[in-house]
Amino acid sequence: GAVVSQHPSWVICKSGTSVKIECRSLDFQATTMFWYRQFPKQSLMLMATSNEGSKATYEQGVEKDKFLINHASLTLSTLTVTSAHPEDSSFYICSASLRTVLSTDTQYFGPGTRLTVL
Amino acid sequence: GENVEQHPSTLSVQEGDSAVIKCTYSDSASNYFPWYKQELGKGPQLIIDIRSNVGEKKDQRIAVTLNKTAKHFSLHITETQPEDSAVYFCAASRTGGYQKVTFGIGTKLQVIP
Repeated sequence: GAVVSQHPSWVICKSGTSVKIECRSLDFQATTMFWYRQFPKQSLMLMATSNEGSKATYEQGVEKDKFLINHASLTLSTLTVTSAHPEDSSFYICSASLRTVLSTDTQYFGPGTRLTVL
Repeated sequence: GENVEQHPSTLSVQEGDSAVIKCTYSDSASNYFPWYKQELGKGPQLIIDIRSNVGEKKDQRIAVTLNKTAKHFSLHITETQPEDSAVYFCAASRTGGYQKVTFGIGTKLQVIP
């Protein structure tokens, strides 16, 4: 249980185009999903927290107009990188929070999406 | 905000030996401490977690200890195997509706056959 999928697993696009990444919780309902960015050999950097049915909360320094997040249902959140540039090339990872009887803070991660902007 | 420090950044052990990774945190309100394993090109996988009402937790060859007074927690892997080679991240968060998790920098573990 607690499987999170991402699509696509990798994408190459031209500079100036927009790219959409999907994150799905396959076997549980996720009231909260998170989007991270990871550069090579570095830790995960939280970009935004997404709650179903409400606007995402962005971390300081993350441009909300560039990284559009939509959390339309309890099993799907999308991240759209608008007008992508080479510096947006990175590994994007989502996670979904599994609500349990004991707590509400167990996060399960997707496999990540490698974005390369030419 | 929370700050999580992790060390060592790299660790090499012989197959069969034990590996220990240590983390400290700064926010005394943090009470949930997960550990993740990340293989190259993949997303992090939760391998074990511990909550502040527990001092130690074990799952087969993996154990985690927590010292809330000193604000540090550790991951212990016994009888290491080559497939244990990966990057391990510790993390800390507060329990609650907004479950922001702060990660350590990661430890690259290499198990030498």
